[in-house]
Amino acid sequence: IVMTQSPATLSLSRGERATLSCRASQSVSSNLAWYQQKPGQAPRLLIYGASSRDSGIPARFSGSGSGAEFTLTISSLQSEDSAIYYCQHYSIWPSTFGQGTKLEI
Amino acid sequence: EEQLVQSGAEVKKPGESLKISCEGFGFSFSSYWIAWVRQMPGKGLEWMGIIYPADSDTKYGPPFEGHVSISADKSTSTAYMQWNSLKASDTAIYYCARQIKVGGGNWPFDLWGRGTLVTVSS
Repeated sequence: IVMTQSPATLSLSRGERATLSCRASQSVSSNLAWYQQKPGQAPRLLIYGASSRDSGIPARFSGSGSGAEFTLTISSLQSEDSAIYYCQHYSIWPSTFGQGTKLEI
Repeated sequence: EEQLVQSGAEVKKPGESLKISCEGFGFSFSSYWIAWVRQMPGKGLEWMGIIYPADSDTKYGPPFEGHVSISADKSTSTAYMQWNSLKASDTAIYYCARQIKVGGGNWPFDLWGRGTLVTVSS
């Protein structure tokens, strides 16, 4: 299953709303996760089950979608949200990641 | 505290062998699937394979099967990834990661190691 993310880069200002997209080449139901990766760090799980926030993730991060189209929304951007965001399907093995969206604040 | 502690950075020559490790602390290591994820310089994340330490059941991503070997020792709560013959294209950061749920099924990863940088150069 191929995961395609858009846009490749997104430049926004603090307080604005970010919308990141992820499309699967076939349905993955709700088996979709989002990760945040900052330079020099391991990825951090934000969202799983397409819309469930992992423990400790701020409420400004939300996920939606099912089937093959998914969205990660960051409602009010903070400077610390600058990072690369990856989607991952886990409907079958092997799991695959999207190529990432770089978010610049 | 739950954590995955990975072995240190390695510098190897093409054709050499290598085994890197990932030790779990603070949780029942044998009860979770542990995956390996590659990140080549400046690139994205690639799912390489996954192992269930309780019985060493292992699955590989097609690009990696036959080139790496994943193993685990449940007695020491450690997972391993091994190459018999490294290539320059194996230069990357390798992360181990734990699935969010205990037991079977395919799940995302909620606990990550800090990564092991492997550099392969003549």
